[in-house]
Amino acid sequence: DTAVSQTPKYLVTQMGNDKSIKCEQNLGHDTMYWYKQDSKKFLKIMFSYNNKELIINETVPNRFSPKSPDKAHLNLHINSLELGDSAVYFCASSQFLGGDTQYFGPGTRLTVL
Amino acid sequence: KQEVTQIPAALSVPEGENLVLNCSFTDSAIYNLQWFRQDPGKGLTSLLLIQSSQREQTSGRLNASLDKSSGRSTLYIAASQPGDSATYLCAVGNNAGNMLTFGGGTRLMVKP
Repeated sequence: DTAVSQTPKYLVTQMGNDKSIKCEQNLGHDTMYWYKQDSKKFLKIMFSYNNKELIINETVPNRFSPKSPDKAHLNLHINSLELGDSAVYFCASSQFLGGDTQYFGPGTRLTVL
Repeated sequence: KQEVTQIPAALSVPEGENLVLNCSFTDSAIYNLQWFRQDPGKGLTSLLLIQSSQREQTSGRLNASLDKSSGRSTLYIAASQPGDSATYLCAVGNNAGNMLTFGGGTRLMVKP
C-alpha cells in the first residue's frame, strides 16, 4: 500500500492554464505539506496543513491555492500557470504537527510550456 | 532565516569505504534534524530523525550526529555499497516544529 500518493505523476500544460495536483495519505496523519523542488534540486516548503487548517504559507503566490477536504487529502490548485512554476511538487505528511518524521509522496513533475 | 548547507555537493567513492556527509545550519534554535535519501526521479525516504535534545541516531550502517550549538550534523555511512548511490538531503525543523528547511543535498556515487 502506498503511504502518500500523488496524481498525476507528470503534468505538461500551457502557460495560463489552471491545473490541480492531488495528494492522499493513508497513514492516519494529522499534518500534510506541499514542497517545491526546482531545477537546481532545492526543496522548499510551500504550505503545511494541520487537521485541515492552514498553518504555514511560505510566501507562495496567490495563484497557488491548497484545499484540504479532509485530513487524508491535501490538493494543490494552480491558476494562470507560468513558466517559472515548472518544478517537481512533493506532498508529505507527518503524524502530528511538530517534531515528527515526514513521509513524502513520489512527486509530480509539472512542465509549463 | 535558517540556511542549511551541505558539503560536499557531490562525492564518488569505491565500494566498501566509510564516508561522512556534512550538514551545517545557521540558526541553532531547531526542533529536530532529519536526513533523507532521494533516488533519481523519486520521492524522499526518511533515513534518520534526531530530536534537538539528542546527540545521535543509528540505523543499520547509518549514524547521524547532531551538534546543535555549533550548527552541524554529520551522516556517517559505513561500508558503502553501490545501492547507497543517491542524493542525501539534510533538513532542519524550525523551533515551532512546523516546517523543514532543506540543504542542497550531496549526490553520492558508490562505484563497484
